[in-house]
Amino acid sequence: EAQVTQNPRYLITVTGKKLTVTCSQNMNHEYMSWYRQDPGLGLRQIYYSMNVEVTDKGDVPEGYKVSRKEKRNFPLILESPSPNQTSLYFCASSLFGEEAYEQYFGPGTRLTVT
Amino acid sequence: QQQVKQSPQSLIVQKGGISIINCAYENTAFDYFPWYQQFPGKGPALLIAIRPDVSEKKEGRFTISFNKSAKQFSLHIMDSQPGDSATYFCAAINYGQNFVFGPGTRLSVLP
Repeated sequence: EAQVTQNPRYLITVTGKKLTVTCSQNMNHEYMSWYRQDPGLGLRQIYYSMNVEVTDKGDVPEGYKVSRKEKRNFPLILESPSPNQTSLYFCASSLFGEEAYEQYFGPGTRLTVT
Repeated sequence: QQQVKQSPQSLIVQKGGISIINCAYENTAFDYFPWYQQFPGKGPALLIAIRPDVSEKKEGRFTISFNKSAKQFSLHIMDSQPGDSATYFCAAINYGQNFVFGPGTRLSVLP
């Protein structure tokens, strides 16, 4: 089954404790992206990657890191989480170029930072 | 920061009615304008999309109207059904660059 998987689905952590949210897709997509969803703000893009070893900042990259060492994986790293990073996070993937408008989203990771 | 504005924030429609959601953008370099539908507890899923050189696209009960000169586009849901109750996001994309989403519209269709 074609899908984007994220782990964990739920995470409660404390300020400053480094964490990684994993994202994996099995559709051989070139393009992958991370978003955060907050009430009233919609989905805001954190980072995106057009291919292996190519990453770029989205609209809200501060406090986050990403890496793309393999085509299928795109982990999101919070090196020192803060309470304002409490949010619902989505990973997404798509083909590149003209087909990029059809993004496939994972099920989401709800993160709480206390 | 690029922006896509969306209205209304929430919408209540009777079953069989027409739901209309409006969006406006600023950056003329956008290449594609998709609409996504999100049910509670799920990730968004593509509903319908339009290129800026097309004024209207229809897929079943869903229609996008696009006004390039006004930099506005809208989603019309005809014969709205309770199963259409969800949050709808308009978006704009630059090929090979970033996605920008509107803040979302929560649609409730009453039976």
